Amino acid sequence: DTGVSQDPRHKITKRGQNVTFRCDPISEHNRLYWYRQTLGQGPEFLTYFQNEAQLEKSRLLSDRFSAERPKGSFSTLEIQRTEQGDSAMYLCASSWAPGGYTFGSGTRLTVV
Amino acid sequence: GIQVEQSPPDLILQEGANSTLRCNFSDSVNNLQWFHQNPWGQLINLFYIPSGTKQNGRLSATTVATERYSLLYISSSQTTDSGVYFCAVYNNAGNMLTFGGGTRLMVKP
Repeated sequence: DTGVSQDPRHKITKRGQNVTFRCDPISEHNRLYWYRQTLGQGPEFLTYFQNEAQLEKSRLLSDRFSAERPKGSFSTLEIQRTEQGDSAMYLCASSWAPGGYTFGSGTRLTVV
Repeated sequence: GIQVEQSPPDLILQEGANSTLRCNFSDSVNNLQWFHQNPWGQLINLFYIPSGTKQNGRLSATTVATERYSLLYISSSQTTDSGVYFCAVYNNAGNMLTFGGGTRLMVKP
């Protein structure tokens, strides 16, 4: 059990560029979650997968955001046409049942 | 949606002191989790505690679901306890967490 891995750890991008983050959950976990955390705040829910199916999406997930989990393993979160307001820590978590999340170390995005 | 409030927002302790962090939530919940976010941003599970009391070393937690609150106790605090402590509650399906604003703890040597 190597935990939840996220890549990259840090990303600096220019406004208007597209970025993609990757999350590798704990191997036996069938549930995967994405959260966003801005400075000084608690994390906010973005989306949830059970296996490869995306079952919940927050209203925070605008049309510029898309998440996938092909084959129910790793997941990617893409942000198109980044804006300065997208600067945040993007956290991935996984679990094998409802509850009992394990979080990754996050990807810190800075849009300049 | 459900509201989660944590107090105090900031706490400074001398090493060796004890503290109690509180989490209030606005509606009944199926489950609750406490996390510690270290200075590198990693969220570490502390307790998954729907009700009752659990202990792990110098830390313990108590959730009184009927009264909609949970407490995290830190005894004999150490500098490595510094960071942000978050309380988060699960929705009924168990697939979404709502976090409180956190308690920022600094333990001074």
